[in-house]
Amino acid sequence: AQSVTQPDARVTVSEGASLQLRCKYSYSGTPYLFWYVQYPRQGLQLLLKYYSGDPVVQGVNGFEAEFSKSNSSFHLRKASVHWSDSAVYFCVLSPDSNYQLIWGSGTKLIIKP
Amino acid sequence: DAGVTQTPRHEVAEKGQTIILKCEPVSGHNDLFWYRQTKIQGLELLSYFRSKSLMEDGGAFKDRFKAEMLNSSFSTLKIQPTEPKDSAVYLCASSPTGDEQYFGPGTRLTVL
Repeated sequence: AQSVTQPDARVTVSEGASLQLRCKYSYSGTPYLFWYVQYPRQGLQLLLKYYSGDPVVQGVNGFEAEFSKSNSSFHLRKASVHWSDSAVYFCVLSPDSNYQLIWGSGTKLIIKP
Repeated sequence: DAGVTQTPRHEVAEKGQTIILKCEPVSGHNDLFWYRQTKIQGLELLSYFRSKSLMEDGGAFKDRFKAEMLNSSFSTLKIQPTEPKDSAVYLCASSPTGDEQYFGPGTRLTVL
């Protein structure tokens, strides 16, 4: 079965600290993976994508993610968070580059001053 | 480049009314999607168009939900009749490839 699991519903981080949001996927084929962010009362914005090649992909606003086939993971990282990073982050799987995206449940990121 | 635009941003309807939500995709994108987002269900796909042809009509949503794409730059989602359980955020997205999707700001619908 195809699925995406974001095990942390909420993550609280101090401003300036580093961040990791976890994502595990289940899919037997070659996954296309995305991270989207949703700021309060706004639509979803694409942060970064992984199709193939270098397992570390860079995104906007200093975010990066690392793909691990052995661990079936696609964790999101940022070296130093800013208060404006407060949002909900979604990990998304596209099986075989199909339009039927499989969404994680989201992780709400809270930044402490 | 203009992103995906959606109007209105907020809509309040009485139970039983007909409402029409509008979406303009990114110019040049061939694929257009309508989603419903709620806290409980997350994102649910309502409709999918490829080059203006309806590819996915959302199964369980067919009854009262109808999406149309009259031209490559405009789509509508009609809900008729509305019910209180339809209260949600409705998101439109477009894509050049089908998987990398770009979302509009959404329409927040409240049905009384």
